[in-house]
Amino acid sequence: AQSVTQLGSHVSVSEGALVLLRCNYSSSVPPYLFWYVQYPNQGLQLLLKYTSAATLVKGINGFEAEFKKSETSFHLTKPSAHMSDAAEYFCAVSEYSGGGADGLTFGKGTHLIIQP
Amino acid sequence: NAGVTQTPKFRVLKTGQSMTLLCAQDMNHEYMYWYRQDPGMGLRLIHYSVGEGTTAKGEVPDGYNVSRLKKQNFLLGLESAAPSQTSVYFCASRRGQGNSPLHFGNGTRLTVT
Repeated sequence: AQSVTQLGSHVSVSEGALVLLRCNYSSSVPPYLFWYVQYPNQGLQLLLKYTSAATLVKGINGFEAEFKKSETSFHLTKPSAHMSDAAEYFCAVSEYSGGGADGLTFGKGTHLIIQP
Repeated sequence: NAGVTQTPKFRVLKTGQSMTLLCAQDMNHEYMYWYRQDPGMGLRLIHYSVGEGTTAKGEVPDGYNVSRLKKQNFLLGLESAAPSQTSVYFCASRRGQGNSPLHFGNGTRLTVT
């Protein structure tokens, strides 16, 4: 069975500092991996996804994530945080084999706080 | 292009009352899903559908029923609401399996007193 662990329910960074949100996955087969962002009172929006084409994936709003098979990780980064990045971030996994008809498995989320 | 639309946006129920949440998507997606979001729990799958006329149970199906009579609509029903069902409910759809991302609605905030 697949699972996702996000380290840190809350992460606080200063505006302009590096953002690093950690995600580790467990999957019996090569996975598809996703990062979503949720702003207050809104649904989840796709930031980026890993589909095995390249290990470094670039997404919207300057975010990127690197797939590391040896570490079973898919950490999300952004070089310089903006106040508008304050939101909840979710990592999710979908297994390659069998297609994952039952959707994605989500981590519990990381709340990103930006200090002025 | 509306994407995924959920109605209503807010609802307050008394214990034992029933209600139906409606999800509509205009992207011709085959797969549709209902999740609930609770603080510190992330999103948990309630039920899902891989096509018109088909439904399946997810991780937390108890107390909920669903129907997919039309491809574009996915209904979530609560027959007898309980306080434990106080949550934010999200509908999502996707074109296919595997690397196809989920597209989410803006959620329904349900309070059961």
